Parts: sequence; structure tokens; C-alpha cells
Amino acid sequence: GNSVTQMEGPVTLSEEAFLTINCTYTATGYPSLFWYVQYPGEGLQLLLKATKADDKGSNKGFEATYRKETTSFHLEKGSVQVSDSAVYFCALSVQDSSYKLIFGSGTRLLVRP
Amino acid sequence: ETGVTQTPRHLVMGMTNKKSLKCEQHLGHNAMYWYKQSAKKPLELMFVYSLEERVENNSVPSRFSPECPNSSHLFLHLHTLQPEDSALYLCASSQDAHPGGAGDTQYFGPGTRLTVL
Repeated sequence: GNSVTQMEGPVTLSEEAFLTINCTYTATGYPSLFWYVQYPGEGLQLLLKATKADDKGSNKGFEATYRKETTSFHLEKGSVQVSDSAVYFCALSVQDSSYKLIFGSGTRLLVRP
Repeated sequence: ETGVTQTPRHLVMGMTNKKSLKCEQHLGHNAMYWYKQSAKKPLELMFVYSLEERVENNSVPSRFSPECPNSSHLFLHLHTLQPEDSALYLCASSQDAHPGGAGDTQYFGPGTRLTVL
């Protein structure tokens, strides 16, 4: 079946530290991969996406590369800020009868000043 | 970006009440979705609409009744809910819902926080 596995949180970092949140997936066919972010009290916002192998999605200093050989889409940022504190969701889009987003369980990031 | 709006943002209801959640998208999309987000659980897809036609119903109890009168509006009618239905209900939209369509990226609203007493 289709699934997404994310590293469990919370992840606690100091400001300006390097961030990695691991995400691996299982899918049939060729999924698109996404990272969404949810700030406290808000809905999900699309952070970045990649639609094929070796594509790199990037936005607001965050990056993730679609690695088909390792079925991974790890999220990275070189220097986190307090304002990056949120829950991050990895997701894949599968195409059967309709587009479906399959989400991971989310990873909470807390950045301390 | 506020392309998808949801009202109300918060709702408290008793188990015998009837209420409705509203979602509106201003992105010109053809597909709309309802998700449920419970504490410590992955997001659960509930319903998918494409061009006002329901194309997906993920074994959702009948106490949840969706309605899509046009491609910009989506409702979720609630009746005789249970306390375990308390959750954040998220609406999303995308350009298309059909495979091979123009886009599969989904854009989410801020959600309605529902508490069932």
C-alpha cells in the first residue's frame, strides 16, 4: 500500500542550527511528494513539492530532494529561526480513482532562541 | 495566502445538535476535499469532490453529510455527533481531482476546531 513514515518528534533545536526531518515513503507508481507546515492554530500550508525523481523542492530556506533509490524526501534547512516552530507533514500524492494525499504523522519542531 | 476560507473557526455543539461547516475557495479550482485531523493521528481524508460530484467517500459515518453546490463551495453537515468526533476539520482544494489533470497540489483552509460535548 501507500504510506509515509516521518521521524517522531518533537525536535528541539537552538536558533541557527541545522535541521533535518526524515521522511520515507512507500508507493505504487510515481507519486508527487510534498512538505506541508502547520503553525499553531492554523491549517496546513504547502511548503514545497517535487514531482519526479531527483527534483529538489525549495522554499523559505527549506529544501527536500526526491530520492527514488532510497524512497526518501528529507526536509532540510541550514539555519532555523524561532518562527520556524511548527508541525511539519510529509505527504505523497497517489493517483488511482482520484488524487489523494497520504500524510505522515507530522513532526513537531521547536526552535529556542 | 487566504485562497481557502473556512467558517466557523471554532464550534462547540452537543450530541443532539445539527450544524454545518462551510468552506469556500477563491482559486478557481475544480476539486475540493474534507479532512479530519485528530490529536496524535495522521490526517484522514473524508470526502473528495470533483466538479461538484463526489468521487471519494472514505467510509465516513453517515452523521457527516457533505454538500458541494458549486465548485467554489463545500459544506459538511453534522448531526448527532459523538465526542470522539471532536477534531480539527480541514478543507482543501486543488486544480483537479482526476489523475492526469493539471495539478495535484492541494491548498488548505485554516480549519474548524470542533468540540462535541
